[in-house]
Amino acid sequence: QKEVEQDPGPLSVPEGAIVSLNCTYSNSAFQYFMWYRQYSRKGPELLMYTYSSGNKEDGRFTAQVDKSSKYISLFIRDSQPSDSATYLCAMSASSGNTGKLIFGQGTTLQVKP
Amino acid sequence: DAGITQSPRHKVTETGTPVTLRCHQTENHRYMYWYRQDPGHGLRLIHYSYGVKDTDKGEVSDGYSVSRSKTEDFLLTLESATSSQTSVYFCAISDSWGRPQETQYFGPGTRLLVL
Repeated sequence: QKEVEQDPGPLSVPEGAIVSLNCTYSNSAFQYFMWYRQYSRKGPELLMYTYSSGNKEDGRFTAQVDKSSKYISLFIRDSQPSDSATYLCAMSASSGNTGKLIFGQGTTLQVKP
Repeated sequence: DAGITQSPRHKVTETGTPVTLRCHQTENHRYMYWYRQDPGHGLRLIHYSYGVKDTDKGEVSDGYSVSRSKTEDFLLTLESATSSQTSVYFCAISDSWGRPQETQYFGPGTRLLVL
């Protein structure tokens, strides 16, 4: 079993829809939770990060962490065709100050005009 | 791409040949990482560096070595390339100034095909 599980999709939604992207994990030591967006043939770019539990909002994006359920989510409101990309969750236990991240497989999102 | 360049961007090589990929940063970040990305596996850490001449292994380090002689450069070497090393390789950097070092910034990637 992988430490971080993410449904690869693809997920297809109409423009304006609310999108929910999710990851589950097994390591209770994870403290940092990241979401990256990756456009085709590009490097991942950091969208948001959260430390421990709770919600964080940035514009149309909201990240949620539920450590009791070992479940994290990224919500995209009013989705746009420009949001079409692969979304990767990543996590770290931050042991030994190495900053090592464990990534999910990524979910491919397509937002149709 | 946060002042990170990777070279070459594309490479085709033959099984058994050595290959070196270069990551160069202009951000003066302390930490540098090499990942590979394959379908169904996401990004997997190969090696990382926490300072000049300080490196350590990641999740999939077999068949790879790294070197960091300057803050700005992190080299990844495939000693004897195999077809299983065909992948897209990403370099990432981070530091702990004002935000967690877990917040890593990625380069544009190198596509490697081993025939």
